[in-house]
Amino acid sequence: DAKTTQPTSMDCAEGRAANLPCNHSTISGNEYVYWYRQIHSQGPQYIIHGLKNNETNEMASLIITEDRKSSTLILPHATLRDTAVYYCIVRVLLAGGTSYGKLTFGQGTILTVHP
Amino acid sequence: DAGVTQSPTHLIKTRGQQVTLRCSPKSGHDTVSWYQQALGQGPQFIFQYYEEEERQRGNFPDRFSGHQFPNYSSELNVNALLLGDSALYLCASSLGYHRVAFFGQGTRLTVV
Repeated sequence: DAKTTQPTSMDCAEGRAANLPCNHSTISGNEYVYWYRQIHSQGPQYIIHGLKNNETNEMASLIITEDRKSSTLILPHATLRDTAVYYCIVRVLLAGGTSYGKLTFGQGTILTVHP
Repeated sequence: DAGVTQSPTHLIKTRGQQVTLRCSPKSGHDTVSWYQQALGQGPQFIFQYYEEEERQRGNFPDRFSGHQFPNYSSELNVNALLLGDSALYLCASSLGYHRVAFFGQGTRLTVV
């Protein structure tokens, strides 16, 4: 699986958009970009994933650059409850083959949302 | 709809003992993966079970073993516990190994 690089920490004001960057310059054509977050002492929570098109769901938006070497997770209106560690992961996601879809976590970005 | 459930939530064991952790996958899911998360680190992949077989394994010694039952639930066994095995153990389930994985709240294991 491709390696990802994320900033160690970021701050955001409550109500503002939080934009979390991720670099995955060695990503392969069959690897998806996944985002999870982990609130202190809880299990990781799935947020969103995408291959090459921008994606949006009720939690966030995922913007992937055209060359797929980087992406940005956007939380449109951050709240205090969004304070967490955010993990960007690239994962082979095709049925069959020799990869069984393990998730390789890095250190993630600690996002702190301030009042 | 119950999500991924793990038991127990907390556990204290003595060095050298053996421990069994349990995981019930989200309804409809058939694939279970286990992760170990040391304090201040990201989760590390231990292994994955699909169709009652270990399909993929991370860089963990043979002291770590597992099992998947016909109802898709799973157990993680750790023998000869070391102090370094103290961690949060996470279970994740998915429908097939190529779909989105959802995590349980974990079991906090402390080895003394």
